[in-house]
Amino acid sequence: AQSVSQHNHHVILSEAASLELGCNYSYGGTVNLFWYVQYPGQHLQLLLKYFSGDPLVKGIKGFEAEFIKSKFSFNLRKPSVQWSDTAEYFCAVAKAAGNKLTFGGGTRVLVKP
Amino acid sequence: DAGVTQSPTHLIKTRGQQVTLRCSPKSGHDTVSWYQQALGQGPQFIFQYYEEEERQRGNFPDRFSGHQFPNYSSELNVNALLLGDSALYLCASSRRVGQGYQPQHFGDGTRLSIL
Repeated sequence: AQSVSQHNHHVILSEAASLELGCNYSYGGTVNLFWYVQYPGQHLQLLLKYFSGDPLVKGIKGFEAEFIKSKFSFNLRKPSVQWSDTAEYFCAVAKAAGNKLTFGGGTRVLVKP
Repeated sequence: DAGVTQSPTHLIKTRGQQVTLRCSPKSGHDTVSWYQQALGQGPQFIFQYYEEEERQRGNFPDRFSGHQFPNYSSELNVNALLLGDSALYLCASSRRVGQGYQPQHFGDGTRLSIL
């Protein structure tokens, strides 16, 4: 069975600081990888996805993620956060060509102005 | 272009009762998945419907059942409610493309509280 682990439950940082959220998954086959974000009071939104090709993927709002197959990791990064990046971030994995998402437990990010 | 819509927004039930939650997918989407999100946790996959049939199922008991209608909308039914069923229930829709799917779009969820 697939599983996804997010290393940090809570992250607090100041505006302009860099952000990196860790995500590791366990599944031996080909996977599709996702980061979803949930802003306060809003629904889950897709931040970025990796299906194949360049392992460095760029998403919306200046976020990027790097897929390292040998480490089963898909870490999310943003060089300089803003107060509006305060949200909960979820890493998710699906088998390639599949549609069943397995989510990590989420990381709550608080950006102080 | 409406996104995924779910109803009701909130629901309060008592143990042993039955509940039906509803979902209308994003326009152009034909696949609906349901997830349960307990407080402080990530969403857990319940099941997925495509062409009015359950195609995949997660580790949920038979008390959880669903349906998809010809217009692609879907219902989630939960029988014999338990306190542990209290959670946010999320509906997600996507479009099947070839042998795969486009990424899922999520609704706002239905908050179910069991007393």
